[in-house]
Amino acid sequence: EVQLVESGGGLVQPGGSLRLSCAASGFTFSSNWMSWVRQAPGKGLEWVANIKQDGSETYYVDSVKGRFTISRDNAKKSLYLQMNSLRAEDTAVYYCARGEGWLFDDWGQGTLVTVSS
Amino acid sequence: EIVLTQSPGTLSLSPGERATLSCRASQSVTSSYLAWFQQKPGQAPRLLIYGASSRATGIPDRFSGSGSGTDFTLTISRLEPEDFAVYFCHQYAGSPLTFGGGTKVEIK
Repeated sequence: EVQLVESGGGLVQPGGSLRLSCAASGFTFSSNWMSWVRQAPGKGLEWVANIKQDGSETYYVDSVKGRFTISRDNAKKSLYLQMNSLRAEDTAVYYCARGEGWLFDDWGQGTLVTVSS
Repeated sequence: EIVLTQSPGTLSLSPGERATLSCRASQSVTSSYLAWFQQKPGQAPRLLIYGASSRATGIPDRFSGSGSGTDFTLTISRLEPEDFAVYFCHQYAGSPLTFGGGTKVEIK
């Protein structure tokens, strides 16, 4: 059974940093694209970033370019999202998602990031 | 960027009725890389349909997807109580990956 467990969310002040983690199990982690998708409270879904199997390619939504960095450690079966210069509009539940290609076919339960003073 | 517009915003129906949800893209979605997700309160989204019309593993056959180019439809043939939720369409043809704003299917 595929399991994706996010951690690292919490309350952070504007301008601060946070690092999210996603622990994967139940599949061959190194074989899949991985992504982060977020959902602001009461709002729709927004893709944030994705990363190729070997980490050689990464893509970001424009609103986070230069502030967020997606990375992975295939040996640890883990996905990461380093978030710097956080803004109020980054407040959301952040989901880790497994990709079949770029199709999100499994999701974690999410971790809440709140950016507020 | 491909903008996806879903309609209606809310659909009020009774169990047993047919639900028809629409998703229109601002430009053609290459190779029908269009998916539909279901989301219930407090839960992560669940993949229902990919490739515009293929059901994901374990999805009941009352869910069907159709369409190509810029116009796509999700149909739920007979609503079950567990189908009342929010549905999002999503294109995964290229970056940036985008989602529609969602259609809420609520009990009438």
